[in-house]
Amino acid sequence: AQSVTQPDIHITVSEGASLELRCNYSYGATPYLFWYVQSPGQGLQLLLKYFSGDTLVQGIKGFEAEFKRSQSSFNLRKPSVHWSDAAEYFCAVGAPREYGNKLVFGAGTILRVKS
Amino acid sequence: EAGVAQSPRYKIIEKRQSVAFWCNPISGHATLYWYQQILGQGPKLLIQFQNNGVVDDSQLPKDRFSAERLKGVDSTLKIQPAKLEDSAVYLCASSLGLADLTGELFFGEGSRLTVL
Repeated sequence: AQSVTQPDIHITVSEGASLELRCNYSYGATPYLFWYVQSPGQGLQLLLKYFSGDTLVQGIKGFEAEFKRSQSSFNLRKPSVHWSDAAEYFCAVGAPREYGNKLVFGAGTILRVKS
Repeated sequence: EAGVAQSPRYKIIEKRQSVAFWCNPISGHATLYWYQQILGQGPKLLIQFQNNGVVDDSQLPKDRFSAERLKGVDSTLKIQPAKLEDSAVYLCASSLGLADLTGELFFGEGSRLTVL
């Protein structure tokens, strides 16, 4: 079965600083990997996704993530954080064929941005 | 394109009362999901429908939770009787279908339930 670990519950960064949110997954084959963002009182919005090919994927709002099979990781990065990036970020793993297009989510990382 | 619609956005009930949540997925999306998100945790799948059939309800507490998608479009999730631990945000999501290779789910804004 798939599982996702997000080791950091909270992260605080200064506005303009770089950001990296960690995600480790467990799955036997090549997974489909996603990062979603959730602002307070809102639903989940897709930032980016990885299926195959180039292991560095670009998403919306200036985010990118890199898939590293050897480390079972899919870390999210942003070179310069804006105050509006403060939100909760969820990493998710899916395997559409094997698991009927379901996603398994990590526990989330809350990002705080200080000015 | 209209997104996933959910109602009500907020609901407060006493324990042992009942509550129902409604979801209308994106037009043309065959697969519909209900996720439960408890404060401080990631969303957990409760039930998945493909059209009007259940694909997976292994995590649904069937003694108190029920869900239906009678015409293969909108869906209702019911809790009866509610317990304190049911306090959570109930997220509805939809996707094109089981054959969709993108695997992307589209989420509604959620229904926040508080059980007192």
